[in-house]
Amino acid sequence: GAVVSQHPSWVICKSGTSVKIECRSLDFQATTMFWYRQFPKQSLMLMATSNEGSKATYEQGVEKDKFLINHASLTLSTLTVTSAHPEDSSFYICSASPPGQGFDSPLHFGNGTRLTVT
Amino acid sequence: GQSLEQPSEVTAVEGAIVQINCTYQTSGFYGLSWYQQHDGGAPTFLSYNALDGLEETGRFSSFLSRSDSYGYLLLQELQMKDSASYFCAVITSGTYKYIFGTGTRLKVLA
Repeated sequence: GAVVSQHPSWVICKSGTSVKIECRSLDFQATTMFWYRQFPKQSLMLMATSNEGSKATYEQGVEKDKFLINHASLTLSTLTVTSAHPEDSSFYICSASPPGQGFDSPLHFGNGTRLTVT
Repeated sequence: GQSLEQPSEVTAVEGAIVQINCTYQTSGFYGLSWYQQHDGGAPTFLSYNALDGLEETGRFSSFLSRSDSYGYLLLQELQMKDSASYFCAVITSGTYKYIFGTGTRLKVLA
């Protein structure tokens, strides 16, 4: 149980276009989801905390107008990279945990989206 | 600021024991988790410590010292499939966010 699905797994887009990434919790309701970005051989950097029914909380240095997050339902959060540039090329990965579970339970990750901006 | 420091790379042979350290400095601390990530894949949960001491799960053990802001992951009887990146992650109190460490790339040699 506790499966998180992320789509697409990879995407190539042209500079200046926007890309939407979906993160779904398949068998549980997630009031909170986390979005991370990971550059090659580097750590997972928390971008924002997505909260169902309210505005996302962005980490310092993350442009909220560039990385639009929408958490319209208890099973879906989306990250839209607007006006993408080559420096936005990265591995984007979402995560969530079933509500009510303690922190000794896993944070479940989607399989990630490899974004390449040409 | 917040920081979680780990050695960048560790190399060991099959069957050996390896320890991956994590020192952290965060605004609030609830617990420390460890995750494994193979190249191109998603991180998977290994262990969690909220209290001082050692937690053992099969070949993997994790230790925490809250007073020293330090923890480690111990991998025993290393296997080739253990070659991966390992991340410590602090769960911050209050905001309950997961902040990941710099990551350690483990190479297991035959």
